[in-house]
Amino acid sequence: EVQLVQSGAEVKKPGESLKISCEGSGYSFTTYWIAWVRQMPGKGLEWMGIIYPRDSDTRYSPSFQGQVTISADTSLRSAYLEWSSLNFSDTATYFCARSKAAGGNYLDSWGQGTLVAVSS
Amino acid sequence: DIEMTQSPSSLSASVGDIITITCRSSRNVHNYVNWYQQKPGKAPKLLVHTASSLQSGVPSRFSGSGSGTDFSLTITGLQPEDFATYYCQQSYSNPPLTFGGGTRVEIK
Repeated sequence: EVQLVQSGAEVKKPGESLKISCEGSGYSFTTYWIAWVRQMPGKGLEWMGIIYPRDSDTRYSPSFQGQVTISADTSLRSAYLEWSSLNFSDTATYFCARSKAAGGNYLDSWGQGTLVAVSS
Repeated sequence: DIEMTQSPSSLSASVGDIITITCRSSRNVHNYVNWYQQKPGKAPKLLVHTASSLQSGVPSRFSGSGSGTDFSLTITGLQPEDFATYYCQQSYSNPPLTFGGGTRVEIK
């Protein structure tokens, strides 16, 4: 069974750093891309970026370029989403999802989501 | 970026109804449109990919159609478990693979 399991909820203060994870199992981790999707409270889905774990080829949405860092570790079968300095506006649920290709494809399996709350 | 405009933003319907949600892209995306269902507090679930291909395990009451800039998702015979929010997504232009704003389907 394909599974993407994300790290647990986080409560952080503005200016703090954070790295959340997404561990894949039940499939060949290095032959699928992993995308990250943001959902702010009560709002829709926003595609943030995508990484190919085999060679770390990474594409970012212009809206998120420079705001976050996406990375992967094939030995841990995990992808990561990282902030160097959180803002209140980063409060959201973040989903990872896998795709067979960076474009022209679809997100066929999703993680359960990681809630990030930024509060003073 | 390619914009995806969904309509309506919400609708009320009854069990057994046929409903159609539409999605219009700001540029030709050929057939690279996918549809997802999301229930409160849960991750989205892929329903239809490449405009009209039903994802494995998804009931046949769901169907997708369209090409170019105009797409639709139809549910024929709405079931209680179908009350959720639905999103379209284009995967032609990467990055970003943009989502529509969502359509909330509520019980009448």
